[in-house]
Amino acid sequence: AQSVTQLGSHVSVSEGALVLLRCNYSSSVPPYLFWYVQYPNQGLQLLLKYTSAATLVKGINGFEAEFKKSETSFHLTKPSAHMSDAAEYFCAVSDTGANSKLTFGKGITLSVRP
Amino acid sequence: EAQVTQNPRYLITVTGKKLTVTCSQNMNHEYMSWYRQDPGLGLRQIYYSMNVEVTDKGDVPEGYKVSRKEKRNFPLILESPSPNQTSLYFCASSFQGTSGRYTQYFGPGTRLTVL
Repeated sequence: AQSVTQLGSHVSVSEGALVLLRCNYSSSVPPYLFWYVQYPNQGLQLLLKYTSAATLVKGINGFEAEFKKSETSFHLTKPSAHMSDAAEYFCAVSDTGANSKLTFGKGITLSVRP
Repeated sequence: EAQVTQNPRYLITVTGKKLTVTCSQNMNHEYMSWYRQDPGLGLRQIYYSMNVEVTDKGDVPEGYKVSRKEKRNFPLILESPSPNQTSLYFCASSFQGTSGRYTQYFGPGTRLTVL
C-alpha cells in the first residue's frame, strides 16, 4: 500500500531564504513520486516528477526534489524563495506508474514574508 | 490551447438528487482522473481511467460512478449525493510519452455543495 506523509501544515520563510518542504512516502515497490502546487483559488499544477531516472529532479519555477530511498523521502527545495511561491504544495506517490492510482499527502501551505 | 474543462464550476444541490459533473480534455490524453479536495485532508483520488472503457477505483470511490465512453470525456456521476460529498472536485488528464516526458493538466475545479 502506498501513502504519503507531509509533516506540518504550514511553513513560513522570508523572501530570499531556502524553501524546504518535507515529504516521506511508504511504498512496497519503487515508487513514482510527484510534487504539485496550488496557488490561491486556482487548480493544481505539476511541479516535478520522479520515476527512477535520476535521484535529483528539477522542476518548474526553480524547484527541485531529491529522492532518498534510505530515508523514504522526497523533499522539495528551492534555494531562494519569492513572494510568488506562496501556495499550497502537495506530495503524491504511486506504486504502479505515473498514469494510475495516485495517493496525495495532506499538503503544506507555504507563506513567504517580505 | 491545451485544456481540461469542467462543468459546472459551482453547484448547490440537495441530498439524493442525481448529478453529473462533466470533464473534457482536448489533448487526446489516454489517462484521466477525478479528485476531491477537502480542508485538512488534501486531495484524494476518486477514480481514474487509463483509456476508453478502462476505469479503476482510487482511494475514495464510494458514492461515485464514472464512465469513459470516449477518450476526451470522463464524467463523474453522483447517483444519490449526500452532504459528506460536499467538496471541491478536480479532473485531470495526463500523458506519458515513450521518451519519458510526462505532462498533466488539471481542470479549474467544481465546487459542490450538497444540502
